Amino acid sequence: KAGVTQTPRYLIKTRGQQVTLSCSPISGHRSVSWYQQTPGQGLQFLFEYFSETQRNKGNFPGRFSGRQFSNSRSEMNVSTLELGDSALYLCASSPPGARGTYEQYFGPGTRLTVT
Amino acid sequence: AQTVTQSQPEMSVQEAETVTLSCTYDTSESDYYLFWYKQPPSRQMILVIRQEAYKQQNATENRFSVNFQKAAKSFSLKISDSQLGDAAMYFCAYRRIEDDMRFGAGTRLTVKP
Repeated sequence: KAGVTQTPRYLIKTRGQQVTLSCSPISGHRSVSWYQQTPGQGLQFLFEYFSETQRNKGNFPGRFSGRQFSNSRSEMNVSTLELGDSALYLCASSPPGARGTYEQYFGPGTRLTVT
Repeated sequence: AQTVTQSQPEMSVQEAETVTLSCTYDTSESDYYLFWYKQPPSRQMILVIRQEAYKQQNATENRFSVNFQKAAKSFSLKISDSQLGDAAMYFCAYRRIEDDMRFGAGTRLTVKP
């Protein structure tokens, strides 16, 4: 089974621009979560989607948004980029099932650099 | 709020030896999940082992095992017969049902040949 895929892998943007990152979960997984990873703040939860609905949201400004499509693929968007948004953005999907939804499988990440 | 603490920013171990990584967490819940993830230099996070809080038996996956002390809110990872490929950042994570996953700051493990 193919793992979680994220595109693009690397991205360089300028302050003030916006960016869209994409994530394709493992086949059959309906839950997708996004994380921001930085050396200073570690792994911080952005949001989680399940069946096209946002289920949980972390403590990030409204510039960070996301969505999930009917095929479970997810996108996250960051508008008006700031230098501090430079980070590795990780996507993770969870398998279905009441007890099985709690482990997550991660993609390789998208390295975003804001200049 | 639930927090996860990894008190060892860095650890090193000799190849073939055993190392234990520490993790403590804070929660008032009784039903939750705990995980150890490994992030090698290539950056892909890999699930190493999981533990359900309702299970008293410690989880084991080949050379990886945990020591889960629910009352003490402690969840340590033991790596036996360490290999060069075990070198990575290790993250302890906590997840309450229907909530997001919380990660510790990580422990960088170095394996010396």
